Amino acid sequence: DGGITQSPKYLFRKEGQNVTLSCEQNLNHDAMYWYRQDPGQGLRLIYYSQIVNDFQKGDIAEGYSVSREKKESFPLTVTSAQKNPTAFYLCASSIGTTDTQYFGPGTRLTVL
Amino acid sequence: AQTVTQSQPEMSVQEAETVTLSCTYDTSESDYYLFWYKQPPSRQMILVIRQEAYKQQNATENRFSVNFQKAAKSFSLKISDSQLGDAAMYFCALRSYGQNFVFGPGTRLSVLP
Repeated sequence: DGGITQSPKYLFRKEGQNVTLSCEQNLNHDAMYWYRQDPGQGLRLIYYSQIVNDFQKGDIAEGYSVSREKKESFPLTVTSAQKNPTAFYLCASSIGTTDTQYFGPGTRLTVL
Repeated sequence: AQTVTQSQPEMSVQEAETVTLSCTYDTSESDYYLFWYKQPPSRQMILVIRQEAYKQQNATENRFSVNFQKAAKSFSLKISDSQLGDAAMYFCALRSYGQNFVFGPGTRLSVLP
């Protein structure tokens, strides 16, 4: 089955620690995205990548970092510089820049 | 700048009835796409329907259809024969050529048995 996987589903972190969220897709999509969703709100773009070894900041990139070493993978690191990291994180991918985005199941990050 | 507005934070509908969710948007681009996504309690975002701006015909997917009014920049979603499984958050989204997705704040739909 083709799709997008995110792991883990739930993640707990102590303050001051970096943590990496995994996103993998086997849809052969060029573009991948990370969004943050806070309770009762829409999605906000953190980072996106249109091609391997290239990525761009979205609207709320501060405190986050990404890499795109393989077409299939786009991990997101939440660093200790992120002031309020507790949120739901969604990864998405699309064939091209104007195509439909397809989403993974999400990761719920809680900072203790 | 692109914006998407959903003026109904919450809606409810009786099972088997029809409900319409509103969405307005703003973009200066002539080439763009509009989407409705559904987010059930599992929180996975699921594509409901997509509309290309250059197409005059309204998109339809089974019980879901849109009313696309380009001049008014309106993109409403109609759900016919509502089912309990339709209960979810619904997000309207806009993607102009060369731009990133912009999502609206969402409308929470409840389906009453």
